[in-house]
Parts: sequence; structure tokens; C-alpha cells
Amino acid sequence: RKEVEQDPGPFNVPEGATVAFNCTYSNSASQSFFWYRQDCRKEPKLLMSVYSSGNEDGRFTAQLNRASQYISLLIRDSKLSDSATYLCVVNMVSDSWGKLQFGAGTQVVVTP
Amino acid sequence: GAVVSQHPSRVICKSGTSVKIECRSLDFQATTMFWYRQFPKQSLMLMATSNEGSKATYEQGVEKDKFLINHASLTLSTLTVTSAHPEDSSFYICSASGDRNQPQHFGDGTRLSIL
Repeated sequence: RKEVEQDPGPFNVPEGATVAFNCTYSNSASQSFFWYRQDCRKEPKLLMSVYSSGNEDGRFTAQLNRASQYISLLIRDSKLSDSATYLCVVNMVSDSWGKLQFGAGTQVVVTP
Repeated sequence: GAVVSQHPSRVICKSGTSVKIECRSLDFQATTMFWYRQFPKQSLMLMATSNEGSKATYEQGVEKDKFLINHASLTLSTLTVTSAHPEDSSFYICSASGDRNQPQHFGDGTRLSIL
């Protein structure tokens, strides 16, 4: 079983619509969680950290459910530029120097 | 702007060649850097943890004699793929953080193609 699992998609989303997707992690001792965005053939870029109480950054909302061991990302008012692969990233330790576990990514395609 | 720089971004070379990839932290010191590899449509897989001034820690299944890592300073780590073969063709990415409380940032990545 993979440490971090994501629906690969693609999620085809009309511009302006809302899209949400989850990521599950297998290790209950996981400490910190992130969403990264990866454009085709580029490096991952940090989108947002995920906090226990849930957090929002503009049109993006992240949630953490420790009991069910999943995190979620919701994108409101989708823009064409939101088209990318979204990587769920889990860290076993509470600081950034721990080893990150990556999901394979969820592809989002925003259409005009 | 980029906080982690990686060079070169693209390498195409013949089988048997050794290829060196550099990873630099631009505005912070990084005691620890990480090297990942990503095959098409797959997740990033950690290859090794690069520690300044000491030996790298390799993940299971990664050959340390094949993938040489040197972390000679607090701002530079290098990965050398020795005697590269077509199966080594992949996207290699490094990451680093200057602060334990901050998320890691990734270099631009190096797309390696071995003919």
C-alpha cells in the first residue's frame, strides 16, 4: 500500500467552478502536511501548508482530518491558470528536515 | 524568486557518461538537502538526504556508488550519476529549507536523458 494516495484525475473543471479532492495517508504518526502544485515538466512549488484547524489562502482551502487520515484541497472560482497537478505531501516529523512522502498527484484541468 | 537553484536544467548524453547536477540554496544556508527522482506520471521518490560535512543517507534500493552525493558547503550539494544508462533517464529534483519550521523548496529540476 502506498504511503500517500491520491486520485490521479483528471478533474475537468469549468472556469469559475469549484473543485475539491482528497488525499489519504497511511501512517497515523505523520506530523505535517502540504499541498504542492506541479506544472507539466516543472518542479513542485509549495501551494500551502495544511493546519489541523483547516486553513484558507485566497481561493484555496485545505482541511486535515486526522481521525480518517486524509487531507483535502478545495479550489473556488477556478481559473485557467489553476490547471496543474496537485501533489499531496506528508512529513513524518514536525519540521521541514524530515523526509517527505509524496502522492502521485491529482491532475486538474480547468476549461474555458 | 527562486530560493533553490538547480543546474543544469536539461542534459542529454551518451550511455556511460557521468553527469553532475548542482543544487544551490540562494539566500539561506541549508544543512540538509534532499535529492528526488520522478519518472513520468509517478510521484517524487526520495533518493537520498544530503548532509553538509558528512555522508549522505541513501534510501533503500538507491545505489550509493551509482549516485554520488557531495555536500561540501552550506549552500551547495551535488549529485553525480556515474556511468549513466538509459534507465537512469528521469527528472531529478533537489529540495532544501533554511529553517526547520519552514516547508522545503524545490530546485528547478534536471531532466536527464541518456541515449
